[in-house]
Amino acid sequence: KNEVEQSPQNLTAQEGEFITINCSYSVGISALHWLQQHPGGGIVSLFMLSSGKKKHGRLIATINIQEKHSSLHITASHPRDSAVYTCAVKGLTSNTGKLIFGQGTTLQVKP
Amino acid sequence: ETGVTQSPTHLIKTRGQQVTLRCSSQSGHNTVSWYQQALGQGPQFIFQYYREEENGRGNFPPRFSGLQFPNYSSELNVNALELDDSALYLCASSSTGVAGPSYNEQFFGPGTRLTVL
Repeated sequence: KNEVEQSPQNLTAQEGEFITINCSYSVGISALHWLQQHPGGGIVSLFMLSSGKKKHGRLIATINIQEKHSSLHITASHPRDSAVYTCAVKGLTSNTGKLIFGQGTTLQVKP
Repeated sequence: ETGVTQSPTHLIKTRGQQVTLRCSSQSGHNTVSWYQQALGQGPQFIFQYYREEENGRGNFPPRFSGLQFPNYSSELNVNALELDDSALYLCASSSTGVAGPSYNEQFFGPGTRLTVL
């Protein structure tokens, strides 16, 4: 079993829909990233979280440290949101910047 | 502020050859991490460089080696290339304080797509 699990693996939505992507992890962490990667593009960091909730535009990320779970929400989704969304964690026992990645969620938003 | 840059963007090599990939860290960042992302997989940590020394390594053989230069840029070298080395190689830079390695947000470069034939 992977240390970081995401669901769903694939997601298709209609423009305007509210989208939730989930991330569960089994290790103690000091921080969690949500990352976005468009087809053929590089990785962009959307959020870095260690507690609570962060919001940027139509994107909201939450984390529950006790439950070892984080969610990424996209409100009023748009075709340009189509990308792979990945959560990655930095383990508590690691003294490097090593990130452990989930397998990614491929999102397609149809107009 | 200059972001993380990588070169080249694409590279094709044959099995057994050697390759060098380059990464320039974001302005003000002194730590570089390298990741390998095979097609359809999440990135896997290769190693991290801080103060020109390797600071942590993932499950990769010794033919994967690196360097960090005084200007904090970094190289990833892979010897004796194998077909399975075909992947997107990502570097990420971050800043580390004088107290030593600690976790700060990593910023990723666009990656180098390596194809081994």
